[in-house]
Amino acid sequence: EAGVAQSPRYKIIEKRQSVAFWCNPISGHATLYWYQQILGQGPKLLIQFQNNGVVDDSQLPKDRFSAERLKGVDSTLKIQPAKLEDSAVYLCASSLEAGSSNYEQYFGPGTRLTVT
Amino acid sequence: GNSVTQMEGPVTLSEEAFLTINCTYTATGYPSLFWYVQYPGEGLQLLLKATKADDKGSNKGFEATYRKETTSFHLEKGSVQVSDSAVYFCAPANQAGTALIFGKGTTLSVSS
Repeated sequence: EAGVAQSPRYKIIEKRQSVAFWCNPISGHATLYWYQQILGQGPKLLIQFQNNGVVDDSQLPKDRFSAERLKGVDSTLKIQPAKLEDSAVYLCASSLEAGSSNYEQYFGPGTRLTVT
Repeated sequence: GNSVTQMEGPVTLSEEAFLTINCTYTATGYPSLFWYVQYPGEGLQLLLKATKADDKGSNKGFEATYRKETTSFHLEKGSVQVSDSAVYFCAPANQAGTALIFGKGTTLSVSS
């Protein structure tokens, strides 16, 4: 079974530029998560999708971050414009069932973003 | 909302030593509790979980017991191996029960 795919793996941009990350979850997984992991900290949930609807985006900085999950499968996370403090690893995860944290989350390898 | 406090690392042990990584949480109600692990060069993966009080999660020789009296979920292993070197994250469910709140992570380094 293929795992969660993410691209690119690494990205370096200058502040005020824009960037987009892509995630392809495990086939059939209803729930998709985007996390931000700053160096030395645990992952912080940015947004959670159930199929193609948003369940929780309370910690997403909506003035600069946006995300979508078209057709309930792939997802993209965009930052525009980027700030220095956005330097982090962006993790995508998916889980089989919707609406409960009891189900195992499967994580992708992450995208390491450096903003200079 | 719910929150988690995890023992700071790094933790450095010799092979076959006993391991404890402390984790305490604050929560409304009794959330499900998880330990995730990240091995060098790999993605985060579930290590074990417990979904109700007094449950014990176990996997790969690791154990953790859901203690509602002390709001704790400490990770233990009786005899660590070099291959256990990784970063360990404690993660209770959020208040809505729909997602996880991750601790800062504890780096474990085991030498032979």
